[in-house]
Amino acid sequence: AQSVTQPDIHITVSEGASLELRCNYSYGATPYLFWYVQSPGQGLQLLLKYFSGDTLVQGIKGFEAEFKRSQSSFNLRKPSVHWSDAAEYFCAVGTWNTGNQFYFGTGTSLTVIP
Amino acid sequence: NAGVTQTPKFRVLKTGQSMTLLCAQDMNHEYMYWYRQDPGMGLRLIHYSVGEGTTAKGEVPDGYNVSRLKKQNFLLGLESAAPSQTSVYFCASSYSVTEAFFGQGTRLTVV
Repeated sequence: AQSVTQPDIHITVSEGASLELRCNYSYGATPYLFWYVQSPGQGLQLLLKYFSGDTLVQGIKGFEAEFKRSQSSFNLRKPSVHWSDAAEYFCAVGTWNTGNQFYFGTGTSLTVIP
Repeated sequence: NAGVTQTPKFRVLKTGQSMTLLCAQDMNHEYMYWYRQDPGMGLRLIHYSVGEGTTAKGEVPDGYNVSRLKKQNFLLGLESAAPSQTSVYFCASSYSVTEAFFGQGTRLTVV
């Protein structure tokens, strides 16, 4: 069965510091992997996605993520966090074998200290 | 470019009342989804549709019904609302597994 684990419920970082949000997945086939961001009271916006090829993918707002098959991980990173990055971040797996479904992790809430 | 539009944005229901949430997409997507978001539980799939006239159960379908009479619309119904259905509901659509596009959400409170 497909599953996504985000082990960090909440992370606090200082503005300008680097950020890494962890994501581990369980899926039998080649995964389609995503990171979405949700600002308070808003819907989900796609940050980046990975299907194949280069395992380091670049996204919007200066975010990047690295796919590591051996570790079943897809961690999100940003070298220097801005106050506007404070939000909820969701990792997701997309599967095509049962009607194109998307499975989400429980999310990581990011607080940025000025 | 509207994308995915959800109606209404907020609603308060009394226990036992019924209501329908409307999701409309203008991207000609085949696939549509209804999720609920609860604190600490992420997004959980309620029902989904792989095309006009089709629906299927997701992870947490109990207490909900759906219909996809038109390709652009996906309706989520609560026949007899319960406090446990207090949540934020998100609709999404996609043309493949490559990306899901989300609406702004509906905040439902059942008292």
